[in-house]
Amino acid sequence: EAQVTQNPRYLITVTGKKLTVTCSQNMNHEYMSWYRQDPGLGLRQIYYSMNVEVTDKGDVPEGYKVSRKEKRNFPLILESPSPNQTSLYFCASRPSGRNNYGYTFGSGTRLTVV
Amino acid sequence: GQQLNQSPQSMFIQEGEDVSMNCTSSSIFNTWLWYKQDPGEGPVLLIALYKAGELTSNGRLTAQFGITRKDSFLNISASIPSDVGIYFCAGPGGTSYGKLTFGQGTILTVHP
Repeated sequence: EAQVTQNPRYLITVTGKKLTVTCSQNMNHEYMSWYRQDPGLGLRQIYYSMNVEVTDKGDVPEGYKVSRKEKRNFPLILESPSPNQTSLYFCASRPSGRNNYGYTFGSGTRLTVV
Repeated sequence: GQQLNQSPQSMFIQEGEDVSMNCTSSSIFNTWLWYKQDPGEGPVLLIALYKAGELTSNGRLTAQFGITRKDSFLNISASIPSDVGIYFCAGPGGTSYGKLTFGQGTILTVHP
C-alpha cells in the first residue's frame, strides 16, 4: 500500500532531551515535508526537501532540523525540545512536477514536551 | 510569508444541508488545493484546481478557482454525517515548488 509512515504516533518527552521523529514513504516521491498543526493555526510548514540532500526552510523552522540522506526517509530532529513545540506533526510527500502540488500525508505524531 | 484566510472557522449543520466555505489569499495563486482531515488522521487531498475560473467536482464536492486567482470556494451538497472533519485550502507558497501553505481550516459538524 502506498503510504507515508511516521513513528512514533505519540511521544511525551522532557524539555531539552533530543528526539527524532522518523518519516518514510514508499512511493518514490521526490518531495517531502514536515508540518505542525496547532488549533486555530492550521498546518504550518516546518521544512521541506525537493530531493536527496536538498532541503529548505518552511514558515516555522526554528528549533527543528531535518536531513535527507535517502530518498524515502526524512527525519525531523528536535535538538532541544521546548514546551512550545508541543504539537501534532505531519510528514508528507509528493512527486515532482508542475501540477503535482498535492502532498500525501502520514497519520501524524502527537508530541508533548513537559 | 503568504497567508490564506478561510471562512467560516466552523459550521454546524443538519444532515442533508448544503455547505459552502471559501479561502482568500493576500497574493495570486496558480494552484488551489482542498483537503479534508478526519479526526485522528492526516489530511487527504479532495480536489486540485490549476486554472482561474476552473470548476471541478468530486462526488458531492465542487470547488472553484476564483477569477481573481486570490480566492477559491468549496461546496458540499446534501451533507452526510461522514462529512464531519476539518477542511483546509492550500496553495503553493512563493517561488519554491516545495512550499505549500495551508489555511486555518473550517471545522464542519453535521447533526444527523
